Amino acid sequence: DAGVIQSPRHEVTEMGQEVTLRCKPISGHDYLFWYRQTMMRGLELLIYFNNNVPIDDSGMPEDRFSAKMPNASFSTLKIQPSEPRDSAVYFCASSRRQGGITEAFFGQGTRLTVV
Amino acid sequence: AQSVTQLGSHVSVSEGALVLLRCNYSSSVPPYLFWYVQYPNQGLQLLLKYTSAATLVKGINGFEAEFKKSETSFHLTKPSAHMSDAAEYFCAVSPGGTSYGKLTFGQGTILTVHP
Repeated sequence: DAGVIQSPRHEVTEMGQEVTLRCKPISGHDYLFWYRQTMMRGLELLIYFNNNVPIDDSGMPEDRFSAKMPNASFSTLKIQPSEPRDSAVYFCASSRRQGGITEAFFGQGTRLTVV
Repeated sequence: AQSVTQLGSHVSVSEGALVLLRCNYSSSVPPYLFWYVQYPNQGLQLLLKYTSAATLVKGINGFEAEFKKSETSFHLTKPSAHMSDAAEYFCAVSPGGTSYGKLTFGQGTILTVHP
């Protein structure tokens, strides 16, 4: 099992540009989560999906942020237009409902820098 | 609603000394509790989890934590610190019975281990 795979690992972009972060969850997992980590706010949940359907997007900071999950093996988080305050590490995580609680497995993260 | 408070953003111990990282939680429903570890430039790795079974939970790398409902605490301990334990540790809470990765994190505690 390759684990949760995120790409790119690092992204540097200019303010105003569109940024797309990608995530491949663990095969067989039916929950997918996007988290953001910043010094000021720590780790916070942005949005999560169950069976490819967005369940809770209350953590998405603004309309500039959007997330999709077109199939069970792929999800994107898009920021358009990007701003310097979006600089953070974005984590994708996946989990599976299996006889009760299962933990979330995290990817390595994408470090986004908006200049 | 849930929240987590980690007491002490930095903890420093000598190699071989006891490690104690403090976590208090607030939850309106019976919680599930987790400790994750993050090494530099890495994702989060689960150390252990409490899911309403045994109150003393053993995890990987010699760590354990005890759930104390009366104190709303879930402190992480390790009898003897190793240099490789140096990392950032996060306590997290999720709504029991419904969560499969929807986590509320504490602010993290950076553990430094001195030779």
